[in-house]
Amino acid sequence: TQLLEQSPQFLSIQEGENLTVYCNSSSVFSSLQWYRQEPGEGPVLLVTVVTGGEVKKLKRLTFQFGDARKDSSLHITAAQPGDTGLYLCAGRASGTYKYIFGTGTRLKVLA
Amino acid sequence: NAGVTQTPKFQVLKTGQSMTLQCAQDMNHNSMYWYRQDPGMGLRLIYYSASEGTTDKGEVPNGYNVSRLNKREFSLRLESAAPSQTSVYFCASRFTSGSTDTQYFGPGTRLTVL
Repeated sequence: TQLLEQSPQFLSIQEGENLTVYCNSSSVFSSLQWYRQEPGEGPVLLVTVVTGGEVKKLKRLTFQFGDARKDSSLHITAAQPGDTGLYLCAGRASGTYKYIFGTGTRLKVLA
Repeated sequence: NAGVTQTPKFQVLKTGQSMTLQCAQDMNHNSMYWYRQDPGMGLRLIYYSASEGTTDKGEVPNGYNVSRLNKREFSLRLESAAPSQTSVYFCASRFTSGSTDTQYFGPGTRLTVL
């Protein structure tokens, strides 16, 4: 059974601080996605990474896919209250339509 | 475009009752998915449909059935609801093209089974 473990589970920081969220697995994924979910809504895709070692930047968010395609990280620079939400990673193995979601990291950014 | 729509938004059932959760997408996507999300957990895949006319089991299919009625609609049925099925249910459709791979989620159905 494929598992994706996220850490930390909860994170409460002050506005302006930096943070990193990790997504780890013992399985290899052909692609890995990061989503943000706000209360009462469905997840919204932030990024998809497909190449080992790939780094993608989305404004203040930096996403990295591990060289072995088993892990990923999300780094937020100068966090803002608008970054508050549940961050989910999701991996898909090669040749399958199935996505495995991580347990999520609940981020709260205090003004 | 409405994207992915789900009905109902909220539902309360008694143990043993049945119901169908409806999902529709207007983006002409081939693949559709049903997930459940429990407190403190990520999403778990119940069933998916890679294309019209096909359905396959995900991680937690027991107690559920699905129907891919046409390309737009993918419904999830609980034949005999149990308290363990209390959850938030999300439907998603998937778009892929080259290196682009995106799931679009509906707003969810919040189900309570008493």
